[in-house]
Amino acid sequence: DTGVSQDPRHKITKRGQNVTFRCDPISEHNRLYWYRQTLGQGPEFLTYFQNEAQLEKSRLLSDRFSAERPKGSFSTLEIQRTEQGDSAMYLCASRPLGSNTEAFFGQGTRLTVV
Amino acid sequence: SQQGEEDPQALSIQEGENATMNCSYKTSINNLQWYRQNSGRGLVHLILIRSNEREKHSGRLRVTLDTSKKSSSLLITASRAADTASYFCATDSSSNTGKLIFGQGTTLQVKP
Repeated sequence: DTGVSQDPRHKITKRGQNVTFRCDPISEHNRLYWYRQTLGQGPEFLTYFQNEAQLEKSRLLSDRFSAERPKGSFSTLEIQRTEQGDSAMYLCASRPLGSNTEAFFGQGTRLTVV
Repeated sequence: SQQGEEDPQALSIQEGENATMNCSYKTSINNLQWYRQNSGRGLVHLILIRSNEREKHSGRLRVTLDTSKKSSSLLITASRAADTASYFCATDSSSNTGKLIFGQGTTLQVKP
């Protein structure tokens, strides 16, 4: 499978716990993105990596959120001290460099905070 | 924050009919893209139209772009039950990041 993969697909956690999600992009894609999607809404941009450098973070990304992309390959998104409002689908996407290219999305990780 | 709005929010049609969805956006763009999402799944890219293009076709899909009105439309012709999904427009702005800003989406139901 040469697509974008995310793990886990589903995560249920208790409020206050930490969670970490993983994204494996398409290997030749330099650019990697995290988005968050709540029910009935479109995806909202969270953060962007070009290779291993995190070049942009949304104001939605509070200090409880941290993302990494060591070695410019897979990426992790960690949420500390989860809150019920963090419940959402977290989507990862990758794109090659250059303008006018499509994004390839993973299947997402659905987080439920109880 | 969402870039723009999509209209209608929900659309229900019979198989064989055409479906038209509209998208408006606010800032200048490099391109506009349409994506499809089946319930609870990731997004699948459908079509990309560049800012200097006015119309593009792909199979049963036809996309138009009017940069003077900052709007786009997606037409699905001869719809099938399998087209039932949510459809999102996304703008790729003139920045260098390539981040996409999505609309709220149109939920399409095609009845067999």
